[in-house]
Amino acid sequence: DAGVIQSPRHEVTEMGQEVTLRCKPISGHDYLFWYRQTMMRGLELLIYFNNNVPIDDSGMPEDRFSAKMPNASFSTLKIQPSEPRDSAVYFCASTSQGQFDGYTFGSGTRLTVV
Amino acid sequence: SQKIEQNSEALNIQEGKTATLTCNYTNYSPAYLQWYRQDPGRGPVFLLLIRENEKEKRKERLKVTFDTTLKQSLFHITASQPADSATYLCALNPYPGSQGNLIFGKGTKLSVKP
Repeated sequence: DAGVIQSPRHEVTEMGQEVTLRCKPISGHDYLFWYRQTMMRGLELLIYFNNNVPIDDSGMPEDRFSAKMPNASFSTLKIQPSEPRDSAVYFCASTSQGQFDGYTFGSGTRLTVV
Repeated sequence: SQKIEQNSEALNIQEGKTATLTCNYTNYSPAYLQWYRQDPGRGPVFLLLIRENEKEKRKERLKVTFDTTLKQSLFHITASQPADSATYLCALNPYPGSQGNLIFGKGTKLSVKP
């Protein structure tokens, strides 16, 4: 199993540009989570899906952020337009309902908005 | 909503000693609490889960306790090694009845000196 796969690994973009982060969860996992990590705020939950349906997006900072999960094997997190304060590491994680094995995290995308 | 506090940002110990990390939460007792390890530039890795009706859980040199009266979990690493140096995060569900989603503490950075 290749684990949770995120792309790109690093992204540098100019303020105002659109950024799309991608995630492939572990096959068979029916929960998918997007987190953002910064030194100041730690790991913050942005949104999570269950069976491809968004369940809680209360952590999404504002309308500039959107997330989709068109099928069980793919999710995107989009920021449009991007701002310097969006600079952070964005993690995707997945897990299975009823199996308390913890989350499996991807390696993250380090986003820098200049 | 639930809040998590990890006792210190950094903990330095000598190789061979036992490291003890603390996780406190503020409100209701969660159904389960999890511990993760995070190395620089990587995503968190799941270590252990303990349920509210369990007092203690062990895995090799790791031990986790859960005291719902004190609203606290302790994470112990016995016979610590330099390879145990990392940031350790605790996580729990943010409100009663929530399934799947976790909130994380900011972590404690452990350094084990040879």
